[in-house]
Amino acid sequence: QTVVTQEPSLTVSPGGTVTLTCASSTGAVTSGYYPNWFQQKPGQAPRALIYSTSNKHSWTPARFSGSLLGGKAALTLSGVQPEDEAEYYCLLYYGGARVFGGGTKLTVL
Amino acid sequence: QVQLQESGPGLVKPSGTLSLTCAVSGGSISSSNWWSWVRQPPGKGLEWIGEIYHSGSTNYNPSLKSRVTISVDKSKNQFSLKLSSVTAADTAVYYCARVTQQQLVDWFDPWGQGTLVTVSS
Repeated sequence: QTVVTQEPSLTVSPGGTVTLTCASSTGAVTSGYYPNWFQQKPGQAPRALIYSTSNKHSWTPARFSGSLLGGKAALTLSGVQPEDEAEYYCLLYYGGARVFGGGTKLTVL
Repeated sequence: QVQLQESGPGLVKPSGTLSLTCAVSGGSISSSNWWSWVRQPPGKGLEWIGEIYHSGSTNYNPSLKSRVTISVDKSKNQFSLKLSSVTAADTAVYYCARVTQQQLVDWFDPWGQGTLVTVSS
């Protein structure tokens, strides 16, 4: 059973920078896992933010960026805004199967 | 633009079969995309259930594979999910989503709004 691990919770001050990570139990995450990142607010469907490691959708704010960092996929928010408070999920591709991370609850305080 | 809408019974009895449909509008289900189901138990995280291509090729979550069937109906431009032998643990909001896979990219968008299915007698 493949497990994808994210930080359960993180807190950041408005205007600050925070990095969320996504690790695979199978080893280092590479671009071949096509890491996707989603934002979800209470009562809403997930919203796609980043795909294939670092690509942004047309609606993704510039302050969001994706990368690979130390064997993990990473989502960095620079200049955090209050509206960025949400749950963030990563999704990895394992050649036909996909696994979501457990999610990171980001608090802006 | 493409929009997805889930539909189906909101209440299913234990040991029964959960059946949901995702209607695709604004585009063709026969386009070069995969079509996926994702669920989220109340207060918990997202779980990928599986996906289907218009040709009928499927990929399933290994932990659910024995109970899941995803099918496509090109004539109705929709795809469906069946989950058998349900228990209370299958209570969740079920989402459908389009998956675009191109040469070196892979993304999930759009998503349906989600539909809550409760398993209870």
